[in-house]
This record gives sequence, C-alpha cells and structure tokens, in this order.
Amino acid sequence: GAVVSQHPSWVICKSGTSVKIECRSLDFQATTMFWYRQFPKQSLMLMATSNEGSKATYEQGVEKDKFLINHASLTLSTLTVTSAHPEDSSFYICSARVRGLALYSQQTQYFGPGTRLLVL
Amino acid sequence: KQEVTQIPAALSVPEGENLVLNCSFTDSAIYNLQWFRQDPGKGLTSLLLIQSSQREQTSGRLNASLDKSSGRSTLYIAASQPGDSATYLCAVNDSGYSTLTFGKGTMLLVSP
Repeated sequence: GAVVSQHPSWVICKSGTSVKIECRSLDFQATTMFWYRQFPKQSLMLMATSNEGSKATYEQGVEKDKFLINHASLTLSTLTVTSAHPEDSSFYICSARVRGLALYSQQTQYFGPGTRLLVL
Repeated sequence: KQEVTQIPAALSVPEGENLVLNCSFTDSAIYNLQWFRQDPGKGLTSLLLIQSSQREQTSGRLNASLDKSSGRSTLYIAASQPGDSATYLCAVNDSGYSTLTFGKGTMLLVSP
C-alpha cells in the first residue's frame, strides 16, 4: 500500500514551454503533498507544500508564478513549470502525507519515483 | 534553521563488509529522523524511521541509532551486498507536521 506515482517519468522540452507534472496517491488519500527538487549530487530541496483545496505554500526563493501547483483532489497534485529554461532542468519528486487518524500515520510521507526534466 | 550533514559523501566497500553511515543535525529538537534509500534516477524508499524518544530501529541487516542530544544518527549496514549500492539519505522532521530537511546523502558502492 501507500503508492505514489508521478507522470511523466521524464520529459524533454524546448526553452520557453510549460511542463506539467502529475503526482498521484494511488491507494490512499493525501491531504498534503510536497514538491521537491533535486540537482545532481545535491539534497532534496523542498519547493512547496500543497494542501488539498487551498493555495500552496512556497519555500523562500521559489517563484510561485513560475512553479504553479494545483491540488484539486485528495489524490492528485500537479506542478506546472511555466516558461521553462535550462536552469530549471532537474529531478522533481513529490511526496504525499497519508490522511489518517493516528498521529504516526500523519507523519509518514510516501515518495513518488520522480520526474526528470531537461530543458533545451 | 535546521541543517543536516552526512558523511562520508561517498563510500566504496567490498561485499561482506559491515559499514556505518553518519548523519548529524544542528537543531536537536527534532520529532523524528528517517533514513531513505535512493537508486540512481529513482525516487526515495523509506528504510527506517526513529522517533525522538527512541534510541534505535532495526530492519533486517539495517540498524539506525539516534542520539538526539548530540544531534547524531548512524545507519549500520551489516554484511553488505552489491544490491545495497545506492545513495542513502538522512532526513529530520522538526515538529511532526513540518516538512523534512534532507542531507546530501552518502553514495554507497558495494563491489562483488
């Protein structure tokens, strides 16, 4: 159980185009999803926290108008990289926090397989 | 602001060796600490989660310890195998509902 999927797994696009990445919790409901970015040999850096039905909370230094996040349902969050540029090339990973009554379950994040973005 | 450091950055060992990966964090007031495995180009797999009140957790050949007061955790891998080759990430959760702060990871290579 607790599987998170991401689509697409990889994408190559031209500079200036927009790219949408989907994050789905397949067998559980997730009230909160997180979006991370990972550059080569670097740690995962949190970009934003997405709560179902409300606006995302962005980390300092992350442009909310460039990285649009929509968390329309308890099982789907999307990240749209608008007007992508080569410096946006990275590995984007989402995670989902399980919705549940037990405190422990509320702590647990399950990670998706990641989406590799290459902007030419 | 919480900072997580992992050493070494890379480690290469022959198959069968026991090894220790280190993780340190600057703010000891954590809620829990988690160790993940990441294969190249892949997402994260959770290995062990240690609550702040716990000293260690074990799963198979893996044992993670936590010394919250000194801001340190270790991941011990016994009888390493080539299949253990991956990057191991340490992450701390500061308040239970907050986000995770990750270290840069230790890239492990176990040679046959």
